[in-house]
Amino acid sequence: DAGITQSPRHKVTETGTPVTLRCHQTENHRYMYWYRQDPGHGLRLIHYSYGVKDTDKGEVSDGYSVSRSKTEDFLLTLESATSSQTSVYFCAISAVRQGALSHEQFFGPGTRLTVL
Amino acid sequence: AQSVAQPEDQVNVAEGNPLTVKCTYSVSGNPYLFWYVQYPNRGLQFLLKYITGDNLVKGSYGFEAEFNKSQTSFHLKKPSALVSDSALYFCAVNAPPGNMLTFGGGTRLMVKP
Repeated sequence: DAGITQSPRHKVTETGTPVTLRCHQTENHRYMYWYRQDPGHGLRLIHYSYGVKDTDKGEVSDGYSVSRSKTEDFLLTLESATSSQTSVYFCAISAVRQGALSHEQFFGPGTRLTVL
Repeated sequence: AQSVAQPEDQVNVAEGNPLTVKCTYSVSGNPYLFWYVQYPNRGLQFLLKYITGDNLVKGSYGFEAEFNKSQTSFHLKKPSALVSDSALYFCAVNAPPGNMLTFGGGTRLMVKP
């Protein structure tokens, strides 16, 4: 499972409240990603990070921000949650093997977020 | 921009029969292609990938996939389906920079005894 944990695993919140999801990895991987999964859409990339304090936007970044102050933690924040952000959120990592970035990604267990 | 299409929302197959889950892609340059499987209430598990080389790639749990450049397809196959193969399957393509994956919408595989 590539040593990835996500917290919380489930959360119910109200519209307009801020929410922070945490992704923690234990294997010092440089690249980390946040995706959301919605029926019929597969997974869509929200933001990704290629190092401490180095982040960039993905396909569906509006309404989300991220931070990475240390290698092992990648935080996803919903500044003001909306019902459209009800989804399952997955964190992923890419491993570097023998000096080269491995193309496949490995995923955490997910966080189910419900915004009422 | 790259994209992935999985034309079937659901595939039904009887246990012991061969299965195929279809995937087509659109990407500029050489594609890196992947298959993932998701069991209920779980994260995605990596099955196999095509980067270069042989068009037929073998992966976990007896699955294989065939890369066809002329048809821009990367179909997932298994010679004999098991009930335990029932799950949601995702095809994905890798797009630089940042090693980002673009996913198809997913295909639910139902294997019946």
